[in-house]
Amino acid sequence: EDKVVQSPLSLVVHEGDTVTLNCSYEVTNFRSLLWYKQEKKAPTFLFMLTSSGIEKKSGRLSSILDKKELFSILNITATQTGDSAVYLCAVGSGGSNYKLTFGKGTLLTVNP
Amino acid sequence: DTGVSQDPRHKITKRGQNVTFRCDPISEHNRLYWYRQTLGQGPEFLTYFQNEAQLEKSRLLSDRFSAERPKGSFSTLEIQRTEQGDSAMYLCASSHGGSLNIQYFGAGTRLSVL
Repeated sequence: EDKVVQSPLSLVVHEGDTVTLNCSYEVTNFRSLLWYKQEKKAPTFLFMLTSSGIEKKSGRLSSILDKKELFSILNITATQTGDSAVYLCAVGSGGSNYKLTFGKGTLLTVNP
Repeated sequence: DTGVSQDPRHKITKRGQNVTFRCDPISEHNRLYWYRQTLGQGPEFLTYFQNEAQLEKSRLLSDRFSAERPKGSFSTLEIQRTEQGDSAMYLCASSHGGSLNIQYFGAGTRLSVL
């Protein structure tokens, strides 16, 4: 059975801190790894990673994938209170990459 | 691009009643997915459509659950004889397909079964 494990499950930091969120996985027929941000609404897409060692970056957020060790990290630098959310890691599998298996998420709280 | 929309946003029902949810995907997206999310958990895959064809159903989708996507546009998810364990957020996502296949999510329908 496909499995995605995120750590930590929750994290409290102060504005300006840098955080690293972890995601490890065991899936058959790996296609991609995706990060989503979920506030009290729809999960919103952040990154999709398919190749090892290539960093994806968007503003203060960045992510990288290690397909040999089966994990990914999501970094957020200079955190702001608006970064407070649940960050979900999902792995895409299946013949046409249709099925996403999610981890439980990391609840990030950024205090002013 | 108006995003994925779901209706209703909230549904409260009594045990044993039937409920139906609707999802309108992003236009031109030919793939549509249903997920269920309970408190403290990530979304769990329920089923997947490519155009009007339902190509996979999770074992989580019991006989009381049925999903349709007539004409390959909007989709409905029906739960018959609801149970308290069905209380959850039901999320719909759509994607364009192809090699990237990024799934974009709607805001969900929160179901409470009393």
